[in-house]
Amino acid sequence: KNEVEQSPQNLTAQEGEFITINCSYSVGISALHWLQQHPGGGIVSLFMLSSGKKKHGRLIATINIQEKHSSLHITASHPRDSAVYICAVSTGNQFYFGTGTSLTVIP
Amino acid sequence: DGGITQSPKYLFRKEGQNVTLSCEQNLNHDAMYWYRQDPGQGLRLIYYSQIVNDFQKGDIAEGYSVSREKKESFPLTVTSAQKNPTAFYLCASTRQYPNTEAFFGQGTRLTVV
Repeated sequence: KNEVEQSPQNLTAQEGEFITINCSYSVGISALHWLQQHPGGGIVSLFMLSSGKKKHGRLIATINIQEKHSSLHITASHPRDSAVYICAVSTGNQFYFGTGTSLTVIP
Repeated sequence: DGGITQSPKYLFRKEGQNVTLSCEQNLNHDAMYWYRQDPGQGLRLIYYSQIVNDFQKGDIAEGYSVSREKKESFPLTVTSAQKNPTAFYLCASTRQYPNTEAFFGQGTRLTVV
């Protein structure tokens, strides 16, 4: 069983839709990270969370420590949001990564 | 601004040649890590270092070597012994005190032809 599970694995949305990507983890963590990776591109760190909620533009990330669950929301989705979104947790001496959610936003 | 710099972003090498990927951080982080990503798969740990002059093998260390002579730098060498070196490589660093902090590099995409 993976320490970090993401859902859905693939997601297709129409431009303007509200999108939610979920992440559950099974280990004790120092922090949870949401990363973005465009096809053929590098990694961009979107958020680092240890509690509560963070917002950056159209992106919102929440974490529930008791339930070991985090969500990444994208409001008013746009084709440029098409990418793979990766959930990662840091435990103090290493990271565990989800396998990613591939998002495609159709104009 | 502090951060992690990986260079280059794209790298091409001929089969049989060793190649070194650079990872530098100016965050004063003690721990640094190297991960590998294959198409359609998650990131897997190659090596990590918790302190200068010390490093540990991860899950897929065969065919790779590292050094940690300076706190800021954790270069990864992909040797000719690595059977399938074409992949995306990601460097990360962490600090636990006085507060938890973790940063990721942008990654290096290595293609061996």
